[in-house]
Amino acid sequence: QVQLVQSGAEVKKPGASVKVSCKASGYTFTAYFIHWVRQAPGQGPEWMGWISPKSGNTNYAENLQGRVTMTRDTSISTVHVELTSLKSGDTAIYYCVRGLPLSFPVWSWFDPWGQGTSVTVSS
Amino acid sequence: QSVLTQPPSVSGAPGQRVTISCTGSTSNIGAGYDVHWYQQLPGAAPKLLIYNNTNRPSGVPDRFSGSKSGTSASLVLTGLQADDEADYYCQSYDISLSGQGVFGGGTKLTVL
Repeated sequence: QVQLVQSGAEVKKPGASVKVSCKASGYTFTAYFIHWVRQAPGQGPEWMGWISPKSGNTNYAENLQGRVTMTRDTSISTVHVELTSLKSGDTAIYYCVRGLPLSFPVWSWFDPWGQGTSVTVSS
Repeated sequence: QSVLTQPPSVSGAPGQRVTISCTGSTSNIGAGYDVHWYQQLPGAAPKLLIYNNTNRPSGVPDRFSGSKSGTSASLVLTGLQADDEADYYCQSYDISLSGQGVFGGGTKLTVL
């Protein structure tokens, strides 16, 4: 079955960076868009950006431009998101989610979701 | 402040029907972009409930239905059950801000 398995929880200090990984299985890794979504405590989800695992092309949310980088390693079917200059407002659960196949518009529903990675930013 | 607006909470008794609204604008739902709905149980990741306004993934009961009109969309739950108690989120796409995914702030459904 299609599965996205993420790396473990992280605790970081303000100003530091964090890198979260997401390993895909159960489908052709390079055939589907992957998006990252985060959810701060008690808030609705927030879309962060997408990556094409085939080409490495990316598109990021405007409010994260300059601080976020999404990459992929096709040899191990894994995507990564790195966020720099962390602040307390970046404390959230980070999810990788699968979109539609690359031949479809990038904007679609998200299914499935990874189990989530908790990132806590605290001094 | 979420781009899509949902009521913070709704409630209903077992067996009843409830509706959760999702209000957008002319740069997202009103521009013709599809709306998708997710259910999030406590401590779990969101799960796809409705895609492309009205479609249910396999395994989602037909007690859940969706619709879209103008700049708004709705999720309807009929025959409420205790395990429907969860947070529900709508999602769409917005052509402003160089184009990006947008979510509602979520609606907490309480089954009385």
